[in-house]
Amino acid sequence: GIQVEQSPPDLILQEGANSTLRCNFSDSVNNLQWFHQNPWGQLINLFYIPSGTKQNGRLSATTVATERYSLLYISSSQTTDSGVYFCAVRNNAGNMLTFGGGTRLMVKP
Amino acid sequence: DARVTQTPRHKVTEMGQEVTMRCQPILGHNTVFWYRQTMMQGLELLAYFRNRAPLDDSGMPKDRFSAEMPDATLATLKIQPSEPRDSAVYFCASGTPVTDTQYFGPGTRLTVL
Repeated sequence: GIQVEQSPPDLILQEGANSTLRCNFSDSVNNLQWFHQNPWGQLINLFYIPSGTKQNGRLSATTVATERYSLLYISSSQTTDSGVYFCAVRNNAGNMLTFGGGTRLMVKP
Repeated sequence: DARVTQTPRHKVTEMGQEVTMRCQPILGHNTVFWYRQTMMQGLELLAYFRNRAPLDDSGMPKDRFSAEMPDATLATLKIQPSEPRDSAVYFCASGTPVTDTQYFGPGTRLTVL
């Protein structure tokens, strides 16, 4: 099946800093989503972005499908950004989303 | 504020018992997903329904797990008999093919002793 790797696995930031999270995948995809799981366990969909660039407030995402990676940018980080960020993809042959291992982010005040 | 709801939020049971988890998708969403999250395996997709019909349940152990959608407002995931290795947080998510985004419920934390 498709492989999804996220980096870095862990990230500690000072409040106000910017960061870039990366998701690499091993096959062509027709679906790519970024999720945030907050410290209380709630999963929130951030972006549906199989290709191109999207922005939502301080967050933006870019997927370069031809090179099989996606980036999530967090600008001016806040303590509420802490949690785990997951990338999930689906290839053209499947119905199921495959999740990466996540990037655990801690933003310190 | 439309949300996916899941019940129960927490369940502790003994090995061998039947466990039923319920999910109410967002009204109007016709795709429903069941996920399991553990420390060891991370997030795994167990099953996927569209218009109440199972499209793919290849992620689910068939001998003990079953997933159904009796109607458009209710999805169920059953484990019979339960085993300690089934201990996990089970998430339900719903969505529509148009946007292809998924909205998650709060999860059911299952502990099998």
